[in-house]
Amino acid sequence: EAGVTQFPSHSVIEKGQTVTLRCDPISGHDNLYWYRRVMGKEIKFLLHFVKESKQDESGMPNNRFLAERTGGTYSTLKVQPAELEDSGVYFCASSQDRGYNGYTFGSGTRLTVV
Amino acid sequence: EDQVTQSPEALRLQEGESSSLNCSYTVSGLRGLFWYRQDPGKGPEFLFTLYSAGEEKEKERLKATLTKKESFLHITAPKPEDSATYLCAGSPRGKIIFGKGTRLHILP
Repeated sequence: EAGVTQFPSHSVIEKGQTVTLRCDPISGHDNLYWYRRVMGKEIKFLLHFVKESKQDESGMPNNRFLAERTGGTYSTLKVQPAELEDSGVYFCASSQDRGYNGYTFGSGTRLTVV
Repeated sequence: EDQVTQSPEALRLQEGESSSLNCSYTVSGLRGLFWYRQDPGKGPEFLFTLYSAGEEKEKERLKATLTKKESFLHITAPKPEDSATYLCAGSPRGKIIFGKGTRLHILP
């Protein structure tokens, strides 16, 4: 089966600009998650979709971040306007169940805000 | 506050030299304790889920064990291809909480 696909793999933008990250989960996986790793820190949870509904968005840092999953297929994460502290690697993951048997992660999008 | 702490931060071993990685956790209502492997430039790759104290799981040269407060990842006779960052994570529900990882380097 195809894995979780994320793009772009790298993005360099200026402070104040907008960036949209995309994630295509494994086909048939209702659960989709976004995580982020900033330099020197652990990978941290951002939010969880079940189909098109946001199940848990407690990890979203602020209202500059907007995640959508229209139609319950792919998801986008928009950062607007981007700040320097938003730099890091953004991972998407998907699972059939609630992830108790492990998620499948994508390779991540490395975002650099300059 | 839910927390996962891994030690050591980094570990260098000679090929064939067995060792263990430690993960201590405080996670309310733990639903599962996970181990992932991460290679540079890639996302975490799922290895194991442990659900209850006393449980053990094995995969090739890796064995994961779980107690009420800790999990260990035992690596037996490692090879250079086992070099990676190993991540421990706990799941209260839905989301999972990661530790910072242990960077393992196996010297040939």
